[in-house]
Amino acid sequence: DSGVTQTPKHLITATGQRVTLRCSPRSGDLSVYWYQQSLDQGLQFLIQYYNGEERAKGNILERFSAQQFPDLHSELNLSSLELGDSALYFCASSVGGRGEQYFGPGTRLTVT
Amino acid sequence: AQKITQTQPGMFVQEKEAVTLDCTYDTSDQSYGLFWYKQPSSGEMIFLIYQGSYDEQNATEGRYSLNFQKARKSANLVISASQLGDSAMYFCAMREREGANSGGGADGLTFGKGTHLIIQP
Repeated sequence: DSGVTQTPKHLITATGQRVTLRCSPRSGDLSVYWYQQSLDQGLQFLIQYYNGEERAKGNILERFSAQQFPDLHSELNLSSLELGDSALYFCASSVGGRGEQYFGPGTRLTVT
Repeated sequence: AQKITQTQPGMFVQEKEAVTLDCTYDTSDQSYGLFWYKQPSSGEMIFLIYQGSYDEQNATEGRYSLNFQKARKSANLVISASQLGDSAMYFCAMREREGANSGGGADGLTFGKGTHLIIQP
């Protein structure tokens, strides 16, 4: 158990819908990262937050957004969902910007 | 150009043998971090080992060691005395501009395509 929690574990929704994925980092970790894992794109970095502020952006679509709250949990919002958004979405956390990143168990999103 | 290259899509190894999983990287940064993760069939990503570009010693964590050759830009993972439970996908990853911002850090990880390791009894 990495100490990073993600909910829900599985999510099935229809095209055009909007969903919210939630992540709680390990105790004491200030940085939260979101990643997407799909068969065709592999593992891709989406976005990073540090202590409530956006710090780095990767291959995140405009239809996707994220935020980190004062209690340091983070949410990833995915809207106008398409079939190609079906993937495993991971959250990871670290103390700062150096060293290990620990991953949560992931949320498997299926868009039908 | 790919930043992380894992040239072995799949490997079969006999139990108790040592395993070397290859990883080469491409960066012009002086400060970067290299990571290895294990992903079993259950799907979770398990952190194995980390090497900073300025670390002089090769990283070790139990049965895992990272053979870091900076001039060759390679960061191979060595698993000693393999076990059946080591069967999984293994991903090499890099973070550039390591520690570029005080506290907040630099960026997310860039992953390779992975190596599927199967340990045979």
